[in-house]
Amino acid sequence: DGGITQSPKYLFRKEGQNVTLSCEQNLNHDAMYWYRQDPGQGLRLIYYSQIVNDFQKGDIAEGYSVSREKKESFPLTVTSAQKNPTAFYLCASSGTGVEVEKLFFGSGTQLSVL
Amino acid sequence: AQSVTQLDSQVPVFEEAPVELRCNYSSSVSVYLFWYVQYPNQGLQLLLKYLSGSTLVKGINGFEAEFNKSQTSFHLRKPSVHISDTAEYFCAGAKGSQGNLIFGKGTKLSVKP
Repeated sequence: DGGITQSPKYLFRKEGQNVTLSCEQNLNHDAMYWYRQDPGQGLRLIYYSQIVNDFQKGDIAEGYSVSREKKESFPLTVTSAQKNPTAFYLCASSGTGVEVEKLFFGSGTQLSVL
Repeated sequence: AQSVTQLDSQVPVFEEAPVELRCNYSSSVSVYLFWYVQYPNQGLQLLLKYLSGSTLVKGINGFEAEFNKSQTSFHLRKPSVHISDTAEYFCAGAKGSQGNLIFGKGTKLSVKP
C-alpha cells in the first residue's frame, strides 16, 4: 500500500544533541513537508520541498535542517540550536499545484527532551 | 494576513446530538479549504475539502461543511455524533497554489455518552 512512513514514533533528545527524524513516501509525490504540532497551537510549517535537491523554509525553520536527495525521502534534523524541541512532528506529501488536495500525512514522531 | 481561525478550542457534546465546529478564513487565503481529523498520537486524515463548485461539501464519517464566501466561513457539521468522533479537528486553507496549508489551532471534540 502507498503511504508515508515516519520513524521513530518516539524519540528522546539530550541537551546539545542533534537528532534526525525520518520520513519516507512511496506515493510518487513531488512535494514533501514537515510540520510541528504543539498543544493548542495547531500545525506550523517548518520546511517544505517541491522537488528533489530543493527546499524552502517555512514559518518556523530556525533550529531545523532538512535535505531532499531522493524523491522518496525528506529527513528532518532537529539541531542543538532548537531550544524548545519537544513537540509532535508530522511529515506530509502531496502533488503540486492543483493536487494540493492530495496531501497525505504520516503518523508522526513525538520528540521529547531528556 | 493570511489566517484560518477556529473559534472554539473545545466542544463537548452528548452522543447522538448534532455538532458544528466553526472555522473562518481570511479573504487572502486561497479558497481551497479543508477539514482534517486527528485521533490521539496519529497523523491527520482528510475529512472533506472544498475546491470549487457546490458550496455544500460532504465528507467521510457523515460530516459535511458549507463554504460561505460572504461570511468567509467553512463550518463543519454532523447531525448526530458518535463516541468514536471524539478527536481533534483542524480546518486548513491552501496558501496560493503551491500546496502549503495554513492550519487553524484545532478544535477538540469530546463526545460523551
